[in-house]
Amino acid sequence: QAALTQPASVSGSPGQSITISCTGTSSDVGGYNFVSWYQQHPGKAPKLMIYDVTNRPSGVSTRFSGSKSGNTASLTISGLQAEDEADYFCSSYTRTRVVFGGGTKLTVL
Amino acid sequence: QVQLQESGPGLVKPSGTLSLTCAVSGGSISSGNWWSWVRQPPGQGLEWIGEIRYSGTTNYNPSLNSRVAMSLDRSKNQYSLKLSSVTDADTAVYYCAKSTGSWYYFDNWGQGTLVAVSS
Repeated sequence: QAALTQPASVSGSPGQSITISCTGTSSDVGGYNFVSWYQQHPGKAPKLMIYDVTNRPSGVSTRFSGSKSGNTASLTISGLQAEDEADYFCSSYTRTRVVFGGGTKLTVL
Repeated sequence: QVQLQESGPGLVKPSGTLSLTCAVSGGSISSGNWWSWVRQPPGQGLEWIGEIRYSGTTNYNPSLNSRVAMSLDRSKNQYSLKLSSVTDADTAVYYCAKSTGSWYYFDNWGQGTLVAVSS
């Protein structure tokens, strides 16, 4: 059982915006601004999309943004494109380890 | 651009020890980064196994701590994972991953290698 809770699936049409939530506790998501998001296409390695809640690595589209409120972090993808269809995982720092969410499958309709 | 490549046996017997190596190219393993292992059982989510720092200091997932050992080989510019007393639950794709800014997020990943535990 994953430490962080994500919806199993979300969907949206091209051009729309979607948001994926990631709920933890005060010991992880709520306790630190150290939430990351990864995109994983089938058969591929994960790719870092957001780190430290809101920061985008160089080369990641500005259509991807992160936020946090209390024990829940969120990833928003605006202007959905077909290439965004993938699995998305959140992760958080805790004092002793890194924990992940169970993943959310994004379908672009 | 640093590249990571996992290697090791694709099949391990139950109660045996899983051993994997991550070869680092395009940069030095002693350059100040953090080097981790993350695994993903088929069709499931990700699990952080642990990390080893450029200094050799290690930090393991408490749920696996008693079975995990990581090491650096500076002469070969690679690092290794050993997981002992494996069971079916250890069947997964194993990724090596690099952290540049902080140890808890991973900005560069290997392609992954599938390890099955079976007799």
